[in-house]
Amino acid sequence: EAQVTQNPRYLITVTGKKLTVTCSQNMNHEYMSWYRQDPGLGLRQIYYSMNVEVTDKGDVPEGYKVSRKEKRNFPLILESPSPNQTSLYFCASIQGGGNQPQHFGDGTRLSIL
Amino acid sequence: AQSVTQLDSHVSVSEGTPVLLRCNYSSSYSPSLFWYVQHPNKGLQLLLKYTSAATLVKGINGFEAEFKKSETSFHLTKPSAHMSDAAEYFCVVSDTSSASKIIFGSGTRLSIRP
Repeated sequence: EAQVTQNPRYLITVTGKKLTVTCSQNMNHEYMSWYRQDPGLGLRQIYYSMNVEVTDKGDVPEGYKVSRKEKRNFPLILESPSPNQTSLYFCASIQGGGNQPQHFGDGTRLSIL
Repeated sequence: AQSVTQLDSHVSVSEGTPVLLRCNYSSSYSPSLFWYVQHPNKGLQLLLKYTSAATLVKGINGFEAEFKKSETSFHLTKPSAHMSDAAEYFCVVSDTSSASKIIFGSGTRLSIRP
């Protein structure tokens, strides 16, 4: 089954404790992206990757890091999480250009205390 | 530059009546437009997309949208609302030639009254 898998689905942690949210897709898609969703703001792009070893900032990259060492995986790293990073996070992938729909993971709800 | 404006943060309709969710966009590129639906505690699911073919686009679950270039709009409609349509809806614009810039609207929450 074609899917985008995020882990963990839920996480409660404390300020400053490094965490990684994994994202994996099994569709051989070149493009992957991370979003955060906050009430009233829709989804805002954090980082995206057009292919292996090619990443770029989205609209809200501060406090986040990503890597793309292999095509299927695109982890999101919070080196020193802060409470303002409490949010719902989505990973997505696309095969092709901007005229193709995104495939989304089920989301990761992060709470930073 | 691209932007998307969803004109209503919340829409409430009675079951069996028409649904209209409004979306306006701006784009300096040739745009592709999408509507996604998000049910409570779920991920996002594609409803329909416009990519420079027919301007009237039909999607899943009876939804459709019309691309109007002169009005820079891509409103989502459904003739008769069902209780299962209650969800959050997102309008999205991207550059047709590249996925490097994808912009989401702020979302419209659709409530259905019995």
